[in-house]
Amino acid sequence: SQKIEQNSEALNIQEGKTATLTCNYTNYSPAYLQWYRQDPGRGPVFLLLIRENEKEKRKERLKVTFDTTLKQSLFHITASQPADSATYLCALVTSGFQKLVFGTGTRLLVSP
Amino acid sequence: DSGVTQTPKHLITATGQRVTLRCSPRSGDLSVYWYQQSLDQGLQFLIQYYNGEERAKGNILERFSAQQFPDLHSELNLSSLELGDSALYFCASSVSGGNTGELFFGEGSRLTVL
Repeated sequence: SQKIEQNSEALNIQEGKTATLTCNYTNYSPAYLQWYRQDPGRGPVFLLLIRENEKEKRKERLKVTFDTTLKQSLFHITASQPADSATYLCALVTSGFQKLVFGTGTRLLVSP
Repeated sequence: DSGVTQTPKHLITATGQRVTLRCSPRSGDLSVYWYQQSLDQGLQFLIQYYNGEERAKGNILERFSAQQFPDLHSELNLSSLELGDSALYFCASSVSGGNTGELFFGEGSRLTVL
């Protein structure tokens, strides 16, 4: 069956450290993968998009990697801040660009 | 502010009832998506419309229906409501219909079925 798996346990890190979140998928061949941030009770907010032919994408303190062989994307936040505390969702575009399917998200907690 | 407007923000109703959720996409966006988010299921794709036409369908129940009107706003109709339908319902919009760009999400409509 098709799955998008993100660590359901919260990730706790100290301010200033790099947070690394993982997104693994099974039985998908995504053309694109996206990352979103969601705060409690709010709608998700788009962060980054990476294409299947791109290995890495950066935006300010954010970096995303995409390994289609491992079927995995890693999302890094460098120099993390308490304001980065939120749930981060990965989403992939199914083949034929039919749907954007989301993982269940990983909650990140950054302590001062 | 994403530019996507959803109403109502909160809705409490009883089992067996019918409700309509409304979404106005960002100006210029032709695609509208509906997602359901419950605590144990995460964001579940329901349906997508592009310029008035249904583009893609997810695990949308037969009791649910949606449409996109000529002015591009969309409505999600939920009928014969059950306790398990309690969730946050998000609308999102994008410029294209090909899911190649970012989605802009509204703030959601929180439905509580008692």
